[in-house]
Amino acid sequence: EAAVTQSPRSKVAVTGGKVTLSCHQTNNHDYMYWYRQDTGHGLRLIHYSYVADSTEKGDIPDGYKASRPSQENFSLILELASLSQTAVYFCASSDPNQAPLFGEGTRLSVL
Amino acid sequence: GDQVEQSPSALSLHEGTGSALRCNFTTTMRAVQWFRKNSRGSLINLFYLASGTKENGRLKSAFDSKERYSTLHIRDAQLEDSGTYFCAAEAGDNNAPRFGAGTKLSVKP
Repeated sequence: EAAVTQSPRSKVAVTGGKVTLSCHQTNNHDYMYWYRQDTGHGLRLIHYSYVADSTEKGDIPDGYKASRPSQENFSLILELASLSQTAVYFCASSDPNQAPLFGEGTRLSVL
Repeated sequence: GDQVEQSPSALSLHEGTGSALRCNFTTTMRAVQWFRKNSRGSLINLFYLASGTKENGRLKSAFDSKERYSTLHIRDAQLEDSGTYFCAAEAGDNNAPRFGAGTKLSVKP
């Protein structure tokens, strides 16, 4: 069954620390995305990728890096976590003309 | 600026009534998706449309790419329909869906 799996599902990090959020898809999709959602807002696009070994900046990339080492895996990296990066993060994958599939979300709290 | 404008931001309905949510787009979109966020915070896919309308039970969605909007109609609202609904649209230049800010729906007895 097609799936997008995020890990961890929740994390508490300290300000200035490094955080890596992982996403794994078994859908054989080319496209993958990272979003963040803040209370009272929609999801905002951070980074995305069309193909392995390549990433693109989304609408709010500052403070985040992304890595796509394989078609199945897409990571979001916070090198120096800040309080403002407390949010719920969603990963998704898709192919053209197909509905994107979303992961369950990762709740990140930066203290 | 935001490419997807969703309205209303909040909506209150009595059980058995209905209403519509709307997303307007500032650019031509080639597909739209509607979600409901469940109590666990997960996004539940309701519809994915490249054109026309789709219906599923008490929900119906329409997408007009030329007129740059999409709607989600809810009829005979039930208490369990309460939650936050999002639309997300894909522009023609790339596949990255952009989201509306959401509509918080409250269904009351």
